[in-house]
Amino acid sequence: QVQLVQSGAEVKKPGASVMISCKASGYTFTSYYIHWVRQAPGQGLEWMALINPSAGSTSYARKFQGRITLTRDTATSTVYMELTSLRSEDTAIYYCARDEVELPGYWGQGTLVTVSS
Amino acid sequence: QSALTQPPSASGSPGQSVTISCTGTSSDVGGYSYVSWYQQHPGKVPKLMIYEVSKRPSGVPDRFSGSKSGNTASLTVSGLQAEDEADYYCSSYADNNNYVVFGGGTKLTVL
Repeated sequence: QVQLVQSGAEVKKPGASVMISCKASGYTFTSYYIHWVRQAPGQGLEWMALINPSAGSTSYARKFQGRITLTRDTATSTVYMELTSLRSEDTAIYYCARDEVELPGYWGQGTLVTVSS
Repeated sequence: QSALTQPPSASGSPGQSVTISCTGTSSDVGGYSYVSWYQQHPGKVPKLMIYEVSKRPSGVPDRFSGSKSGNTASLTVSGLQAEDEADYYCSSYADNNNYVVFGGGTKLTVL
C-alpha cells in the first residue's frame, strides 16, 4: 500500500534551517509528483511546493521562493524539503503528499517543526 | 487570507444533508476540473474525499459527492453521521505562481 513516512519532529531557533524527509513506498516513486503543505497551529492548510521526482523539477509558492528547496533521491525514494531563515511563524506541521491529478492526494503523517528561541 | 473562500462553519442533524461551498476565480476553480476536498479530524492527517471535482477515491462512502458551477465548487454530505464531524478543506489547481490553492476550511458539526 502507498506509504509516505516523514522524519521526526524538529525544534529550531529563529534564523536556522530545517530539512524534513519524506520516504515513499508502495508505488513507483518517479510516477507521481510530491507536494508539501503546512498547517500552523489551529490554522488551515497552506500549499508550499511540489517536485517531479522523475525530472527533479520543482514549483514553489511565491511566498516561499528563496527560502525553500525540494530535492529527491530516486535510489531511496525520498524527497527532502529544506526551509531556511526560520521565524516563529514557520511553526507548523509540515506534510508531504503524493499527487492525485494535480493536487495533493495521499498524505504523510506530518512533521512538527517548532521555531523558538 | 485564503485564496479560496469557504464558510467557516456548517451543521446538520444526523441523516440530513449539508453542502459546503468553495468559491474561487476563473484562474483556479472556474478554469479547471482540478478541485479536491479533504476531511481532517482533530489531530489527524487530512484525508482525500473528492478529486477532479466529483470523483471519489476507493473507500470513500458515496454519501460524499462533489460538484462545480462556474467559480464555485461544492461538497455535499448526505445522510450525515456522527463521524462526519470534522474540518473540510477544498483545494484547486491554479494557473499562477501558486500551483495549488486551498480554502480556509469549514468546520462541520453534526448536531
